[in-house]
Amino acid sequence: DADVTQTPRNRITKTGKRIMLECSQTKGHDRMYWYRQDPGLGLRLIYYSFDVKDINKGEISDGYSVSRQAQAKFSLSLESAIPNQTALYFCATSARKAGQGRYQETQYFGPGTRLLVL
Amino acid sequence: GENVEQHPSTLSVQEGDSAVIKCTYSDSASNYFPWYKQELGKGPQLIIDIRSNVGEKKDQRIAVTLNKTAKHFSLHITETQPEDSAVYFCALSGNTPLVFGKGTRLSVIA
Repeated sequence: DADVTQTPRNRITKTGKRIMLECSQTKGHDRMYWYRQDPGLGLRLIYYSFDVKDINKGEISDGYSVSRQAQAKFSLSLESAIPNQTALYFCATSARKAGQGRYQETQYFGPGTRLLVL
Repeated sequence: GENVEQHPSTLSVQEGDSAVIKCTYSDSASNYFPWYKQELGKGPQLIIDIRSNVGEKKDQRIAVTLNKTAKHFSLHITETQPEDSAVYFCALSGNTPLVFGKGTRLSVIA
């Protein structure tokens, strides 16, 4: 979805380096998410944020940190990259609608960042 | 916590045939069941969803069925076309954010 952008789209880095993946959205959504996709493992949630002051760990947060700089920006950092963090990373956004359950809104995904850690 | 098993992992069908993908879960608190389609080089996109108070939902050639007693839900695609070739993910939520299945790679053979 063009309303959710991720930079960079591709990144090669070395073991031990710190890197940051950035996500920006123009959809006006309050909720943002970071996922990791590995072949055969589906999408796994790393961190999510329901507003600027809210950060929550997902299923696989170890080795990652996040920053919600503004409603429209959510960054994912790998403090010291390791080879098993090689994966496709997706950012997603959503907005809760009145009458919906807490986790029932549609998520809109960015195009992904392909990360290779050597 | 919530967990979901998705089968099959790969599926090949002839153009015009139907495709069915099934997901099973164990947490009775799960109450929202979306399906996402991921085309090559793109992020996943919602194609259909169902809530626990509904047994079936259709949108043109796509339908989703939910059996809450047996704790499974399925995606049905009829009259498949080459553009249906993609990876499909089931997902669910209840008391936690969406949990995704491992995906099914659907190939529609012309």
